Amino acid sequence: DIVMTQTPSSQAVSAGEKVTMSCKSSQSLLYSENKKNYLAWYQQKPGQSPKLLISWASTRESGVPDRFIGSGSGTDFTLTISSVQAEDLAVYYCEQYYDTWTFGGGTKLELK
Amino acid sequence: QVQLKESGPGLVQPSQTLSLTCTVSGFSLTSNSVSWVRQPPGKGLEWMGAIWSGGSTDYNSALKSRLSISRDTSKSQVFLKMNSLQTEDTAIYFCTIHRYWGQGVMVTVSS
Repeated sequence: DIVMTQTPSSQAVSAGEKVTMSCKSSQSLLYSENKKNYLAWYQQKPGQSPKLLISWASTRESGVPDRFIGSGSGTDFTLTISSVQAEDLAVYYCEQYYDTWTFGGGTKLELK
Repeated sequence: QVQLKESGPGLVQPSQTLSLTCTVSGFSLTSNSVSWVRQPPGKGLEWMGAIWSGGSTDYNSALKSRLSISRDTSKSQVFLKMNSLQTEDTAIYFCTIHRYWGQGVMVTVSS
């Protein structure tokens, strides 16, 4: 089974700050045939279902603000929020779909 | 539009079997895989298993011995059955096609 590790587990931020969070997989998520990384990022706010933000490591879903930026390849991935807004306070999960599915443990963004 | 809705009992006794239904609309089960994902209170997401568009299934290795996923395409429904429930199975259970999620159903395992 592919293991997904997210760091940090929580992060205190101020509005307007640039935030980065990491996701590492136990094996490469890059499929050689199509050069795609099978990695997604979700946002989950309290009491809500997860919301898909980014798929294929860097492709934003329709309607997702461009301050959310996914990057990385292989086993190391990053979600960057270029200027955090109050509505971005949530838990962020990475998920691999290279071999069935596995979620990381999440990174919780809190107000400083 | 795409919708998924979970239904099932809110309370299950320890050692009993959990049965949940996911009713979908706006897409075909023969064109999309559907996963079950659970989330214990205050904790992270755990992928439980999936039924593929062709009807085959895959399960989380940690749950495989207790879990069964099936479907009825004529009713646009996906079913989850998990036996030998324990208190640590208390969680919100979601069905999802990953771009779209149901609202989840809270299941408490308690006597």
